[in-house]
Amino acid sequence: AQKITQTQPGMFVQEKEAVTLDCTYDTSDPSYGLFWYKQPSSGEMIFLIYQGSYDQQNATEGRYSLNFQKARKSANLVISASQLGDSAMYFCAMREGPRAAGNKLTFGGGTRVLVKP
Amino acid sequence: ETGVTQSPTHLIKTRGQQVTLRCSSQSGHNTVSWYQQALGQGPQFIFQYYREEENGRGNFPPRFSGLQFPNYSSELNVNALELDDSALYLCASTFSGANVLTFGAGSRLTVL
Repeated sequence: AQKITQTQPGMFVQEKEAVTLDCTYDTSDPSYGLFWYKQPSSGEMIFLIYQGSYDQQNATEGRYSLNFQKARKSANLVISASQLGDSAMYFCAMREGPRAAGNKLTFGGGTRVLVKP
Repeated sequence: ETGVTQSPTHLIKTRGQQVTLRCSSQSGHNTVSWYQQALGQGPQFIFQYYREEENGRGNFPPRFSGLQFPNYSSELNVNALELDDSALYLCASTFSGANVLTFGAGSRLTVL
């Protein structure tokens, strides 16, 4: 089974509107971390937001928020007030085990977002 | 902090050749990991180095090897290149135990 599934290969969103990017994950480890990264055409992976499996509150970072539904094993990214610069590939990723387990991230296949003016 | 820089940005090799990709991490980042990203896919973990020793490896053959140096730089070496090795290779670094990886912009390798 896929460990990280992103079912939306591509999305259009109108500038200034909100968009939700779906991510479901699969792990039997009680300790894990979930990440969202943005990858513009330049190639660099830019960290957006992190959610730990034991975190009680949904993570928020500026215009980014993570809708964490542990029982459903989903970690959807919400981008509010979309901007033209948000056009990029977005990847959901998971680290299984505690932080000390290291930096092995498993990535999903990504969702391409195109913001229309 | 100067971020993570990778070199070269692009290179072309032929099948059977060897390649070395380089990465310069942020000062103090004692953990570095390498990822391979094929076109249209998410990155895949190759291996991780901590204090100059490999301490985690993904599903990649031994012809993928690495080095980490005390000055926070590292290398990815790939021997006997195959066509399927064509990809973007990303380096990422962090402090041990930290949550967030800082990625470089990658080296795009084309194998002909």
